[in-house]
Amino acid sequence: QKEVEQDPGPLSVPEGAIVSLNCTYSNSAFQYFMWYRQYSRKGPELLMYTYSSGNKEDGRFTAQVDKSSKYISLFIRDSQPSDSATYLCAMSSQGAQKLVFGQGTRLTINP
Amino acid sequence: NAGVMQNPRHLVRRRGQEARLRCSPMKGHSHVYWYRQLPEEGLKFMVYLQKENIIDESGMPKERFSAEFPKEGPSILRIQQVVRGDSAAYFCASSPSISPVGGLNTEAFFGQGTRLTVV
Repeated sequence: QKEVEQDPGPLSVPEGAIVSLNCTYSNSAFQYFMWYRQYSRKGPELLMYTYSSGNKEDGRFTAQVDKSSKYISLFIRDSQPSDSATYLCAMSSQGAQKLVFGQGTRLTINP
Repeated sequence: NAGVMQNPRHLVRRRGQEARLRCSPMKGHSHVYWYRQLPEEGLKFMVYLQKENIIDESGMPKERFSAEFPKEGPSILRIQQVVRGDSAAYFCASSPSISPVGGLNTEAFFGQGTRLTVV
């Protein structure tokens, strides 16, 4: 079993829709939860990170962490074609510097 | 302020040759991380280095792979006697320092990657 599971998609939605991306994990020591966006042939860029449980909002993006269920989500409101990319969740435990990534979900927003 | 620079962007090697991948961290960054991304998969941690020190190499294959981050110059990921299974995108990230409270450094920035193809 992988430490972090993420549905690879692909996921295709119309412009303006609300997108929900999710990851589950098995390691209860994870404390830091990140979402990265990766455009084709580019490096990952950090979108949001959350420490421990709770919600965090940044513009059209909302990250949620439910540690009791070992489940994290990223919501994108009013999705735009420019949001089309692969979204990777990543996690780390306290004091560790390495990230454990999910497989990535390929998202396409159709105009 | 240039970002994390990786070169070459694309590298083709025949089986048995050596591959050398370079990573110049962002200015002022003294921590470097290497990750490997196989097709249709997420990134897998390989190694974490500070200047002249390997801090965590738990993700490095035991043979043929090595990494360094010298006092001067870029970090180098070296793969000896490459095999087809080494074909992947290799990403480098850099960060300025460890969080003073011992947490994860969230200021790590990734480069554009080197795509290695072994033929």
